[in-house]
Amino acid sequence: NAGVTQTPKFQVLKTGQSMTLQCAQDMNHEYMSWYRQDPGMGLRLIHYSVGAGITDQGEVPNGYNVSRSTTEDFPLRLLSAAPSQTSVYFCASSYTGSRYSPLHFGNGTRLTVT
Amino acid sequence: KNEVEQSPQNLTAQEGEFITINCSYSVGISALHWLQQHPGGGIVSLFMLSSGKKKHGRLIATINIQEKHSSLHITASHPRDSAVYICAVPLTNFGNEKLTFGTGTRLTIIP
Repeated sequence: NAGVTQTPKFQVLKTGQSMTLQCAQDMNHEYMSWYRQDPGMGLRLIHYSVGAGITDQGEVPNGYNVSRSTTEDFPLRLLSAAPSQTSVYFCASSYTGSRYSPLHFGNGTRLTVT
Repeated sequence: KNEVEQSPQNLTAQEGEFITINCSYSVGISALHWLQQHPGGGIVSLFMLSSGKKKHGRLIATINIQEKHSSLHITASHPRDSAVYICAVPLTNFGNEKLTFGTGTRLTIIP
């Protein structure tokens, strides 16, 4: 049982390049989300989804795009990378049927934009 | 001012000591998550609680909804407990949709 799988683990981009961070889960979770983690700050929500075809913005959505065509996958797209997007990115999932469901995190993607 | 505040920010203790990490929040509804981030970066869920106390092995989490305060205790601490501990509070009544996180408490247990 793989849980939440994030790829790649590391990525270096030049300013202006685009890329997609992949996130997949095999637990049939309705809720999936993307967070970024920066030094000295708590995890911040970028985008989230409560089911296939449904996405919404979080606290820091600018410069990122998401879609949810299947229950399993929730990719995060950087449209035109900027140095301010250098961060560690985490994908997480959980059930939504119960109000208080544990979160399952991927192992993170360390992104550097030069 | 952060909506979720943790204390202390850093904690170093000797193996075997009783550890307490605190989380106070000014927002959110009636639940709280405790997470553990390993030195390698991975994050795991420890507890999710909406009232009272939960225990898992040497870890105990308590919450006081009226005072908007939660504590995480570790009994008989061990070097493998060294990690960053993070609390998170949902901002809505719809489960995990919008969580706000503390900045974490870095715990180091010395053998």
